Amino acid sequence: DQQVKQNSPSLSVQEGRISILNCDYTNSMFDYFLWYKKYPAEGPTFLISISSIKDKNEDGRFTVFLNKSAKHLSLHIVPSQPGDSAVYFCAAEFGNEKLTFGTGTRLTIIP
Amino acid sequence: DAGVTQSPTHLIKTRGQHVTLRCSPISGHKSVSWYQQVLGQGPQFIFQYYEKEERGRGNFPDRFSARQFPNYSSELNVNALLLGDSALYLCASSLVGRQETQYFGPGTRLLVL
Repeated sequence: DQQVKQNSPSLSVQEGRISILNCDYTNSMFDYFLWYKKYPAEGPTFLISISSIKDKNEDGRFTVFLNKSAKHLSLHIVPSQPGDSAVYFCAAEFGNEKLTFGTGTRLTIIP
Repeated sequence: DAGVTQSPTHLIKTRGQHVTLRCSPISGHKSVSWYQQVLGQGPQFIFQYYEKEERGRGNFPDRFSARQFPNYSSELNVNALLLGDSALYLCASSLVGRQETQYFGPGTRLLVL
């Protein structure tokens, strides 16, 4: 039972354009959402988070949008840079600080 | 400031052996969680510890155990290793409380032959 889903295994975007990564969840109890970026042979690096009481959070080039009625969140990266090429994981949490991760989306930025 | 550190970075074991993985959290972080990431999947929650007590456990067999020490560092132990235990084992630390971001270490890559 995959409670957090990232349905796009991969995404390619031209440098300078917007990258949009999507994530869907099924458990309405989730109240905190995070995005992590992962390079090969490294641990996930925290990017940005959002509480369920908000619908948008912005940090520099990164913006996360949360649509609770659709149980959907997205990460926007503008403008995309070559260093953004990595695997991006969406994660969700409720109550007990356990993170439930999606399967990841591999983002490739084309110079 | 030092981030989450894990040791060893890589490990090769054979079936039936046991392994101990170590984690030191970010200074000031009292909560430590362990995750297993197999190839092509997202990390899967194994344990969470706070104040030396287990606060959460994922769907893993009893071969997996962990503990936390007074300095908040932690060990993950896996007994009777199986080929399927081959994975990247990640440790994350956070401040205590809800909606506190978990910060991950670089992981220990375990290969079971």
